[in-house]
Amino acid sequence: QKEVEQNSGPLSVPEGAIASLNCTYSDRVSQSFFWYRQYSGKSPELIMSIYSNGDKEDGRFTAQLNKASQYVSLLIRDSQPSDSATYLCAANMEYGNKLVFGAGTILRVKS
Amino acid sequence: NAGVTQTPKFRILKIGQSMTLQCTQDMNHNYMYWYRQDPGMGLKLIYYSVGAGITDKGEVPNGYNVSRSTTEDFPLRLELAAPSQTSVYFCASREAPGQGQETQYFGPGTRLLVL
Repeated sequence: QKEVEQNSGPLSVPEGAIASLNCTYSDRVSQSFFWYRQYSGKSPELIMSIYSNGDKEDGRFTAQLNKASQYVSLLIRDSQPSDSATYLCAANMEYGNKLVFGAGTILRVKS
Repeated sequence: NAGVTQTPKFRILKIGQSMTLQCTQDMNHNYMYWYRQDPGMGLKLIYYSVGAGITDKGEVPNGYNVSRSTTEDFPLRLELAAPSQTSVYFCASREAPGQGQETQYFGPGTRLLVL
């Protein structure tokens, strides 16, 4: 099993809908998780980090961490065409202070 | 702060040529990283450094070398370029553990084409 796994998509949602992006992880990662957004041809930029079980909200974004089921998700409310990008899930490796990334999920928001 | 800067933005190499990808950060971060990203894929760690004079291999280090003589700079060296090294290369930095932020900050990337 890979350390961090994501569905590559694309995930298509209509404008104004909730987009739900999911990520599962293995026992080899620590309990620090990050969601990065990457526009085509650009570098990743951090959207959310989450360390504790439960939900963390920041504007239209909510990160959810479920340690028992080993998954982390990102919800985007009121999706906008500008949210169309690849979303990368990342986790700190348990040893070595290194991030491991999922392959990313392509999100397309249609107006 | 300029953050993390990378040069060049784009380069075409012939097979067997060598080059150095430059990375500089002005945030006084101890930890620096080099990743490569192939089309439609996530980021794979090449090398990383936890401070000046200390480097370690990541997931895909073959064909690359690094050095870290200062806190600010972390160059990546390709000695004998191969078509398999065609990719986009990202440099990133972060604070050391225990200093609060675990966030990695990325440079704009270097697009490399090996023909």
